[in-house]
Amino acid sequence: QQQVKQSPQSLIVQKGGIPIINCAYENTAFDYFPWYQQFPGKGPALLIAIRPDVSEKKEGRFTISFNKSAKQFSLHIMDSQPGDSATYFCAASTLSGTYKYIFGTGTRLKVLA
Amino acid sequence: EAGVAQSPRYKIIEKRQSVAFWCNPISGHATLYWYQQILGQGPKLLIQFQNNGVVDDSQLPKDRFSAERLKGVDSTLKIQPAKLEDSAVYLCASGVLGGSPEAFFGQGTRLTVV
Repeated sequence: QQQVKQSPQSLIVQKGGIPIINCAYENTAFDYFPWYQQFPGKGPALLIAIRPDVSEKKEGRFTISFNKSAKQFSLHIMDSQPGDSATYFCAASTLSGTYKYIFGTGTRLKVLA
Repeated sequence: EAGVAQSPRYKIIEKRQSVAFWCNPISGHATLYWYQQILGQGPKLLIQFQNNGVVDDSQLPKDRFSAERLKGVDSTLKIQPAKLEDSAVYLCASGVLGGSPEAFFGQGTRLTVV
């Protein structure tokens, strides 16, 4: 029940394409869903996050879509660029008490020039 | 604002040896996390501190792993004795207590056990 399932494991798109990464969770107590971006040799960095009271959030070229009834959320990268090539992790946490993140298994994205 | 500092960046040890990792969180961050990231997997929480108290260590292999945050600031994670399956990147993260839920990660320590 504590797992966050992420797919696909890897993704290759052409520059300008719209890669979509999907995540699913079981625990309905989760109420904070961040996406982290990780470049080789670096720690993960927060990209964008959503709370379940909204169905979509956009920040620049990055959009999270959230489906509370299906317990699924996804990351869309508009007009993808080679610089977006990285590993992306979804995560889930509760906002009550201390924040404890459960991470997905990651998606390695490669954007071809 | 300085980020989360970790050292060393890399460490290679033989199995059954001991190793220690150090983390200095962002100034003022009360919450500190240690994560283990095995190659090709997502980070897995090992232990979470709030100030100098342990909030969650349910996934810490306590027979070989230990961690402390004595003064509520920097922290040390120790493995003794190390096993081959401990080869991973050990990430430290910190966050504000009661404020933004964002966790800020350090660059990690890559441990190779041979």
